[in-house]
Amino acid sequence: DAGVIQSPRHEVTEMGQEVTLRCKPISGHNSLFWYRQTMMRGLELLIYFNNNVPIDDSGMPEDRFSAKMPNASFSTLKIQPSEPRDSAVYFCASSGNVNTEAFFGQGTRLTVV
Amino acid sequence: GIQVEQSPPDLILQEGANSTLRCNFSDSVNNLQWFHQNPWGQLINLFYIPSGTKQNGRLSATTVATERYSLLYISSSQTTDSGVYFCAVGDDYKLSFGAGTTVTVRA
Repeated sequence: DAGVIQSPRHEVTEMGQEVTLRCKPISGHNSLFWYRQTMMRGLELLIYFNNNVPIDDSGMPEDRFSAKMPNASFSTLKIQPSEPRDSAVYFCASSGNVNTEAFFGQGTRLTVV
Repeated sequence: GIQVEQSPPDLILQEGANSTLRCNFSDSVNNLQWFHQNPWGQLINLFYIPSGTKQNGRLSATTVATERYSLLYISSSQTTDSGVYFCAVGDDYKLSFGAGTTVTVRA
């Protein structure tokens, strides 16, 4: 299996622009997570999907952030409009079920200037 | 949420040395994982170990769930072991991460 695939690997954008991050989970996994990593806050969960349904979005920082999972093999995290404080590494992860091993993608390093 | 404390925060080793990293957590868990974040930022799965002991090459891990801690052992360290080691725990779907232990292995 190719693992969790994220794109792009790096994104540099100007403040105010829309940013879309993409994730393809491991085939057969029914749980998908978006995490954000910053120096100040470490790794924090943004949103959790189970069977393509958002279960917990309490970690989404603001209304500027939105996430979708239109099917079992694809998810997006969108920031609109982006701000410099959104600069971070965004990880997507998937697992076969709750309380099973989670696997992370390589992350997207976002820089908002 | 579950609180996760990792120690030590930083560790400098000479190549070939052994070390132990610790992870304490505040509540009972059904999920515990150890990750290595390499210098390129990739999170690599080391162990899925909510309880018991596992070994993989030079690395091994032990989780004592009743006492709410886990240990990661690195033996005969190599420069490629450098990076940040994270412990992550969960009692449901949510994994809570510790702040990590930064390991530097010097040749």
